[in-house]
Amino acid sequence: QTVVTQEPSFSVSPGGTVTLTCGLSSGSVSTSYYPSWYQQTPGQAPRTLIYSTNTRSSGVPDRFSGSILGNKAALTITGAQADDESDYYCVLYMGSGMVFGGGTKLTVL
Amino acid sequence: QVQLQESGPGLVKPSQTLSLTCTVSGGSISSGSYYWSWIRQPAGKGLEWIGRIYTSGSTNYNPSLKSRVTISVDTSKNQFSLKLSSVTAADTAVYYCARNGDYYDSSAYAFDIWGQGTMVTVSS
Repeated sequence: QTVVTQEPSFSVSPGGTVTLTCGLSSGSVSTSYYPSWYQQTPGQAPRTLIYSTNTRSSGVPDRFSGSILGNKAALTITGAQADDESDYYCVLYMGSGMVFGGGTKLTVL
Repeated sequence: QVQLQESGPGLVKPSQTLSLTCTVSGGSISSGSYYWSWIRQPAGKGLEWIGRIYTSGSTNYNPSLKSRVTISVDTSKNQFSLKLSSVTAADTAVYYCARNGDYYDSSAYAFDIWGQGTMVTVSS
């Protein structure tokens, strides 16, 4: 069974840029997987950031961008702010189902 | 705007069936072209997609849960529901309902609206 992989944790300095990735245990991620990205803070429901690789959801600042980098989907945060400290999840569409990555805990310090 | 609200028992005994309902407000569940999903998250762990239903009744389920899951829709009540049978402690989690984007748009492959989630504990 194919697993969706994400870095367990990452840190970034305030004002810095960070790129989180979303890969497959076997194979490459392409736009055909329609990668999407979600931000979740403790005790809250996830918030949709990016869908279909690089389309920002309504109200999401342009500091957040999505892309394909090599064989992975990527979420780039530029000008990181303190309130970007959250868990970030990617989702890939596989056939008739959707699969979450394990999530990345982003620390801003 | 469309909002989602989960409801159901917060405590379920092992081996019994977990039943949750998601009520859609601010719009009709059958207007537009959307799939409606269930997702769960055990405490301190990641998110897991359970399955989804289209307003026609067509469903897709996570293969790892498929044998125990039933998702249904009641358009007259503007609700969709989740039933998970033969539960164990491993099914203890926050359960979210969510809407997938427009079926005829690339947003169909993502979740665009989320409920606030409801905690379900499996314990005797």
